[in-house]
Amino acid sequence: DTGVSQDPRHKITKRGQNVTFRCDPISEHNRLYWYRQTLGQGPEFLTYFQNEAQLEKSRLLSDRFSAERPKGSFSTLEIQRTEQGDSAMYLCASSFRGGEAFFGQGTRLTVV
Amino acid sequence: AQSVSQHNHHVILSEAASLELGCNYSYGGTVNLFWYVQYPGQHLQLLLKYFSGDPLVKGIKGFEAEFIKSKFSFNLRKPSVQWSDTAEYFCAVNGYTGNQFYFGTGTSLTVIP
Repeated sequence: DTGVSQDPRHKITKRGQNVTFRCDPISEHNRLYWYRQTLGQGPEFLTYFQNEAQLEKSRLLSDRFSAERPKGSFSTLEIQRTEQGDSAMYLCASSFRGGEAFFGQGTRLTVV
Repeated sequence: AQSVSQHNHHVILSEAASLELGCNYSYGGTVNLFWYVQYPGQHLQLLLKYFSGDPLVKGIKGFEAEFIKSKFSFNLRKPSVQWSDTAEYFCAVNGYTGNQFYFGTGTSLTVIP
């Protein structure tokens, strides 16, 4: 499968712990997005990369969240000092030059 | 602020019924428009997209959507739904300032056999 892949698929963590998620986009896609989705809601934008540059970041994103895309390939999203409100599905998507976004299966985070 | 509105939150139809799901966006500039579908347990998949040209676009599985610029709308239609169309449907827009995709809250469609 050459689509967008995310790892892990599920993560259960205790409140206060740090977690890191990985996203591997479609190889020729230069744009990479992170979204968060909760039950009954549409995907909510977190941040966006063009190649290795982080060009946009949601104002809703607290300082506990950080994302990187070294070398413009895979990306990681880290959440520090997790809170119960961080429980959600974290989605990664990629696109080529502003075309449609292709989404991964997501990482479901549960903070207990 | 830019926003995408989907007015139908839950829709229940019998097989062979016609479907129309509403989508309105708030930005008056040039936009790209998308409909995504999420089947139970699966990831978001593109149904169709509009960038320019013919405002009536056709997508996969018999779906189509019409872009009406004057109404800021991009409604999704299907003449005859099937049980397998049961899913969550999301309208999305980009082309506002920046490059992010803005999503509506989604419409849950249940098709009864």
